[in-house]
Amino acid sequence: DTGVSQNPRHKITKRGQNVTFRCDPISEHNRLYWYRQTLGQGPEFLTYFQNEAQLEKSRLLSDRFSAERPKGSFSTLEIQRTEQGDSAMYLCASSLGPGYSPLHFGNGTRLTVT
Amino acid sequence: AQSVTQLGSHVSVSEGALVLLRCNYSSSVPPYLFWYVQYPNQGLQLLLKYTSAATLVKGINGFEAEFKKSETSFHLTKPSAHMSDAAEYFCAVSDNQGGKLIFGQGTELSVKP
Repeated sequence: DTGVSQNPRHKITKRGQNVTFRCDPISEHNRLYWYRQTLGQGPEFLTYFQNEAQLEKSRLLSDRFSAERPKGSFSTLEIQRTEQGDSAMYLCASSLGPGYSPLHFGNGTRLTVT
Repeated sequence: AQSVTQLGSHVSVSEGALVLLRCNYSSSVPPYLFWYVQYPNQGLQLLLKYTSAATLVKGINGFEAEFKKSETSFHLTKPSAHMSDAAEYFCAVSDNQGGKLIFGQGTELSVKP
C-alpha cells in the first residue's frame, strides 16, 4: 500500500490558463474521488469514478472542470480558463467500495490562480 | 439529503484535558459515519468509522466516538489531550446511495501546554 499520490503538490497559474492535476490511487481501489477544499472549510465533493465510469458529478461544478479515469487506474482533473475563485486545495481519494468503505486521501494539489 | 453539522469551529483544551468534538448528522437511512483528522498541508487521515456494528467506536491515537441515534450525534472524544492532537477534525456521513462522503465544516483543535 503506497498510498494515494497526487501531482503536482503546488501549482501557480495565471487567470485564464488551463491546468491539469493527476491522481494515482491505491492500486486495488476501484473508486476514486475528487474533492475541493478552501481555507477553513471541509472538503467539497466534485466527482467520483467507479473503475473508469464517472458515476456522479457535483451540480455545483462548472463546465470548466472535467475529470477522466482512463482504464480505471489514474485520474486527471482539468480546469479550463482558470479563475481566481478556483484557488483551493484539490484532494483525491480512493476506496475499495461504496458507502461504508473509508476514503484514503492523497496530500492534495494546492492551486493558486493569480 | 445527508448532512453533518460540527458545533464549534475552534476548540481549545489544555494538555491532559478531555477532548470533546461535536458532530450531529442528518440522514434518511441508517448512516455510515466517519471522523477524519487533517494536519497542515496534508490530506485527511481516517480516525474511526461507524458502520452499525457497535455504537461505541474506538479509533487510532486514543480517540473514540459514540453513535447516539436518539440524538443524531456522533461526538468524538479523547480522555487526555496531547500536543500532537492539534489539528483539524472533520466529521463525515456517507450519502444514501453509498457513494460519496459529505463532510462537515471542520473543528480546529488547539492544545495548550
